[in-house]
Amino acid sequence: EAGVAQSPRYKIIEKRQSVAFWCNPISGHATLYWYQQILGQGPKLLIQFQNNGVVDDSQLPKDRFSAERLKGVDSTLKIQPAKLEDSAVYLCASSFFLSGGQYNEQFFGPGTRLTVL
Amino acid sequence: AQSVTQPDIHITVSEGASLELRCNYSYGATPYLFWYVQSPGQGLQLLLKYFSGDTLVQGIKGFEAEFKRSQSSFNLRKPSVHWSDAAEYFCAVGATDTGRRALTFGSGTRLQVQP
Repeated sequence: EAGVAQSPRYKIIEKRQSVAFWCNPISGHATLYWYQQILGQGPKLLIQFQNNGVVDDSQLPKDRFSAERLKGVDSTLKIQPAKLEDSAVYLCASSFFLSGGQYNEQFFGPGTRLTVL
Repeated sequence: AQSVTQPDIHITVSEGASLELRCNYSYGATPYLFWYVQSPGQGLQLLLKYFSGDTLVQGIKGFEAEFKRSQSSFNLRKPSVHWSDAAEYFCAVGATDTGRRALTFGSGTRLQVQP
């Protein structure tokens, strides 16, 4: 079974530039997450999708970050304009959806390492 | 809101020695609890999880963890560490009273294994 795919793996940009990250979840996984992992910290949720709808984007800096999952499969996360503090690894994860308040395992992609100069 | 504390930033053990990584959480009820491992350049891999029932849970690669409600802890253990266990380990909690399924992670413990 193919895992969660992310691209690019590495990106270096200057501050105030724009950047986009792409994620392809595991086939059949309705739930998709974007996490930000700053060096020395654990991952922090940016946004959670259920199919193509947003479940939680309370921690997404909406003045500069945006994300979409138009067809309920692939997702794109964009930063415009980037700041120095956006340097981090951006992780995409996916899981099956279980109703009734149940959790299911989240599978993580390898991440995109962003460096903002 | 829930939170996770991993008090040890960095731990070094000798190969073959036992290991215990500490995790404390803050949450108003019994949360869902997880341990993930992250190797350099790799995504996070689930080691084990606790939802309910037996407080001692077994995971992959010979790891186990024990949930202690009275101490709000979920420490990870392994009786004999292998060099390949060198990685970063994250404890995470999931809320049980909301529709959110995202995890709240601790800041991680980096494990170094000496030959």
